[in-house]
Amino acid sequence: NAGVMQNPRHLVRRRGQEARLRCSPMKGHSHVYWYRQLPEEGLKFMVYLQKENIIDESGMPKERFSAEFPKEGPSILRIQQVVRGDSAAYFCASSPRLAETQYFGPGTRLLVL
Amino acid sequence: GESVGLHLPTLSVQEGDNSIINCAYSNSASDYFIWYKQESGKGPQFIIDIRSNMDKRQGQRVTVLLNKTVKHLSLQIAATQPGDSAVYFCAEIPFSTGANSKLTFGKGITLSVRP
Repeated sequence: NAGVMQNPRHLVRRRGQEARLRCSPMKGHSHVYWYRQLPEEGLKFMVYLQKENIIDESGMPKERFSAEFPKEGPSILRIQQVVRGDSAAYFCASSPRLAETQYFGPGTRLLVL
Repeated sequence: GESVGLHLPTLSVQEGDNSIINCAYSNSASDYFIWYKQESGKGPQFIIDIRSNMDKRQGQRVTVLLNKTVKHLSLQIAATQPGDSAVYFCAEIPFSTGANSKLTFGKGITLSVRP
């Protein structure tokens, strides 16, 4: 049973470009969560999605960031017009149901030059 | 092993000793707690969890203790091994308030095991 998959593992972008981060949840999991981790800090919640629905986006920056979890395919975290401050590790987690343990993927490390 | 709070970011223990990692949480409404282990370059790995109707839970070589009165959580690792070296995070969710999607993470403690 494969765990949470994320790709790419490393992503380098120049300021102003777009970054697309993908997450495939564990088999049987329909709840996806995105977190951001700055160097030497804990993870900060960004957004919680179920299939085709954003349930809680209270941790998402108001501009440039968006997330989706389509009926088919992985969840996507999209960052438009990236800035250096977006450089971080972005982790996706999934759970089979709400209020259950969240299992994390290996993360995507975004570097903005 | 030494007992430290999250305000002291590093814990160094001798291989074979027991480790105790402490976490103080602030949200009295939190009722589900998880310890995660994060190795360099990897995602957080689930270690053990505990719900607020319990004060102790044991796993393989690990024990989590919860003291709701003082809002304190600890992780005990028995016979610490080099493979236990990592950053450890406590995380909490207040399920009962309905904000049950967000894990709130502590800042983390680095556990370093001396051979």
